[in-house]
Amino acid sequence: DVKVTQSSRYLVKRTGEKVFLECVQDMDHENMFWYRQDPGLGLRLIYFSYDVKMKEKGDIPEGYSVSREKKERFSLILESASTNQTSMYLCASSLIDGYGYTFGSGTRLTVV
Amino acid sequence: GNSVTQMEGPVTLSEEAFLTINCTYTATGYPSLFWYVQYPGEGLQLLLKATKADDKGSNKGFEATYRKETTSFHLEKGSVQVSDSAVYFCALSVGNQGGKLIFGQGTELSVKP
Repeated sequence: DVKVTQSSRYLVKRTGEKVFLECVQDMDHENMFWYRQDPGLGLRLIYFSYDVKMKEKGDIPEGYSVSREKKERFSLILESASTNQTSMYLCASSLIDGYGYTFGSGTRLTVV
Repeated sequence: GNSVTQMEGPVTLSEEAFLTINCTYTATGYPSLFWYVQYPGEGLQLLLKATKADDKGSNKGFEATYRKETTSFHLEKGSVQVSDSAVYFCALSVGNQGGKLIFGQGTELSVKP
């Protein structure tokens, strides 16, 4: 069964900490995405990547960065966590044409 | 720009009731349209999709028809079950944007026995 795996289901971090959210896919997909999910706002795209070492900003990139050193792994980095980054973070991957979108189970991050 | 608007939830139905969740979109170009479902504690799963006007996507008793004239993609099911309780997301992708999905805000469905 193909999978997108996010390293943590729940995380609690302190304001100002550097936070790494990891995502790994085993489907050899070219595209990888990070979304955040908030009640009433749906899913909003933070960053995405079409290839190794390639990244593009989504709709809400402020306060975040990403890293894609290997095709299967896409990391989301919060350089200095703030309380307004408390959210559910969802990673997804897809084929180059956008089909075959598969989501991970999500990481619920709480910043205190 | 591209956007998706869904009816607000939560929607509460009795088992075996008819379900409609409205979805309308705005898009430059010719989008593909999707419905995703998120069960409690899980990520999103593709429920159905349609790639061109008048296509009907269907899966697990759910259906949605791509209506270009009304820019809509409403989700329907004739008889809901308790196990259908979840959050439903309408989404679109436009081919020249490399597969990015744009989501609506989600509609929570609760089905009571």
